[in-house]
Amino acid sequence: NAGVTQTPKFQVLKTGQSMTLQCAQDMNHNSMYWYRQDPGMGLRLIYYSASEGTTDKGEVPNGYNVSRLNKREFSLRLESAAPSQTSVYFCASSREFVTGNNYGYTFGSGTRLTVV
Amino acid sequence: GENVEQHPSTLSVQEGDSAVIKCTYSDSASNYFPWYKQELGKRPQLIIDIRSNVGEKKDQRIAVTLNKTAKHFSLHITETQPEDSAVYFCESELRFGAGTRLTVKP
Repeated sequence: NAGVTQTPKFQVLKTGQSMTLQCAQDMNHNSMYWYRQDPGMGLRLIYYSASEGTTDKGEVPNGYNVSRLNKREFSLRLESAAPSQTSVYFCASSREFVTGNNYGYTFGSGTRLTVV
Repeated sequence: GENVEQHPSTLSVQEGDSAVIKCTYSDSASNYFPWYKQELGKRPQLIIDIRSNVGEKKDQRIAVTLNKTAKHFSLHITETQPEDSAVYFCESELRFGAGTRLTVKP
């Protein structure tokens, strides 16, 4: 049982390049999330998908796009990478997202992205 | 949107002592309150959670208490051990606290 799988684990991009971070879960969870983690700032939500076919902006969506490809997969795309997007990116999933009554997250192992 | 504040930002205790981390939230509609532990270079992992229909939940050496009136919940770790050293995060309505770095000195 793999849980949440993220690829790649490490990536170096030049400013202006694009890339897609992949995430897949095998727990039959309905909801999936992308967070970024920067030193001293905790985890900040970029986008989330409460259920297949829906996506919503989080706290820091600018410069990113997402696709919920199916129930298992949720990808994050950087169209034109900037140094400010240097961060560790975590994908997570939960049984379902219910406002006010959420469920716990299972996180992937993270992608360490550096934009030079 | 939800505002989540976590204190202290760093906490150093002697092995065997207790540690308490507090999280304050703003959304009165929140009913689910989890705590995550993140070891250096690893992913965050859910260690304990509570829903608002109970005031306290224990799991061996860790416990979470909730004061819904005051809008805060706390993580309690008793008999701390060096392996408890990590960063701990609270979360409410998609928002995480900034984290508490706990160091347990042998």
